[in-house]
Amino acid sequence: EVQLVESGGALVHPGGSLRLSCAASGFSLTSYTMNWVRQAPGKGLEWISCIMGTIGTTYYADSVKGRFTISRDSAKSSLFLQMNSLRDEDTAIYYCARDYSGSSLGYWGQGTVVTVSS
Amino acid sequence: DIRMTQSPSSLSASVGDRVTITCRASQIITSYLHWYQQKPGKAPKLLIYGVSSLQSGVPSRFSGSGSGTDFTLTISSLQPEDFATYYCQQTYSTPRTFGQGTKVEI
Repeated sequence: EVQLVESGGALVHPGGSLRLSCAASGFSLTSYTMNWVRQAPGKGLEWISCIMGTIGTTYYADSVKGRFTISRDSAKSSLFLQMNSLRDEDTAIYYCARDYSGSSLGYWGQGTVVTVSS
Repeated sequence: DIRMTQSPSSLSASVGDRVTITCRASQIITSYLHWYQQKPGKAPKLLIYGVSSLQSGVPSRFSGSGSGTDFTLTISSLQPEDFATYYCQQTYSTPRTFGQGTKVEI
């Protein structure tokens, strides 16, 4: 059974850093593209990053490019999101999600809350 | 970047109604169009992938159609558990953009 469990969310000051983790089970991280999607309070879904399965190529939304880094540790079956230079507008629930057929996001974690505030 | 525009942003409907939500892409995205349902406080759930393929376990009252840049999600007979927010997403290219969402209310 595929399971994704995020952790690492916290309250952080503007300009600070945070590292989110997503523990994956039931599949190999290197076989699927993994994504991070966030949702600001009361707002819609925003795709922010993905890492391709076999090659490991990474992609980012413009809103986080240069500040956030996606990575994975296949031995630990974990996906990460390193977030630097955090801003108020980065406040959101952060979800990790795994690709399914046609690059749809077929499996989601429960989310972890990041609050950026002074 | 490909812009995804959903309409309407919200709608009011009754149990048993037929509901249609549209999603327009700013450029051709072939079949890389997917629909998600999200209920308050919950993670999104994949409903339909590749324009019209029903995810396992999703009731057959949900259907998807369309091609090119224009796509539709239809709920043939709205049930109480279908009141939620629905999002389309394109994965034709990165960034893998979502529509702004359509809230289906009673």
